[in-house]
Amino acid sequence: EPEVTQTPSHQVTQMGQEVILRCVPISNHLYFYWYRQILGQKVEFLVSFYNNEISEKSEIFDDQFSVERPDGSNFTLKIRSTKLEDSAMYFCASCRTGNTGELFFGEGSRLTVL
Amino acid sequence: KNEVEQSPQNLTAQEGEFITINCSYSVGISALHWLQQHPGGGIVSLFMLSSGKKKHGRLIATINIQEKHSSLHITASHPRDSAVYICAVGSNYQLIWGAGTKLIIKP
Repeated sequence: EPEVTQTPSHQVTQMGQEVILRCVPISNHLYFYWYRQILGQKVEFLVSFYNNEISEKSEIFDDQFSVERPDGSNFTLKIRSTKLEDSAMYFCASCRTGNTGELFFGEGSRLTVL
Repeated sequence: KNEVEQSPQNLTAQEGEFITINCSYSVGISALHWLQQHPGGGIVSLFMLSSGKKKHGRLIATINIQEKHSSLHITASHPRDSAVYICAVGSNYQLIWGAGTKLIIKP
């Protein structure tokens, strides 16, 4: 069964370092999302991506964050200069038909900023 | 006020019991999702609803658009159903997530 894959599963980094989280969505999906979940808190929307551009982004998704789809298969989330409060589980998701489609999630990438 | 409210926050039940988890929302939506998050953190989509009722195995999800309310039911609950169940509503390509209901089914 097709699945969304994320790498790395866990990354530890020093504050101020750049981090790239990678996602490979399901191949025929057109809509891609990043969410994050700080430990013990609810999941929060970061950004949605369609047709090679950002469709929507939340207040969390400030200038430190960027997304791109560099090669037609990977979907990456870059955090330019990590802060302690960026420590969270980051989930990538994809779906075929946008808001009304079933979402498929990756297993998540746990980011720990020291 | 939270845009998505779930109740109860925590629920412990005995194996075999009928489980109901409720979700109320205050925003206009195009779809409502029920998701399951296991202790390891992984998230699985259970249902996506825009109207009516859906059933998958022992799980049933209903939505009342006029009342902005949805319920997730689990029949003949089993310890493997223990997880956090999350309601999320979709508008404008983003999902607004509820805080989740932590369900524990005891054998």
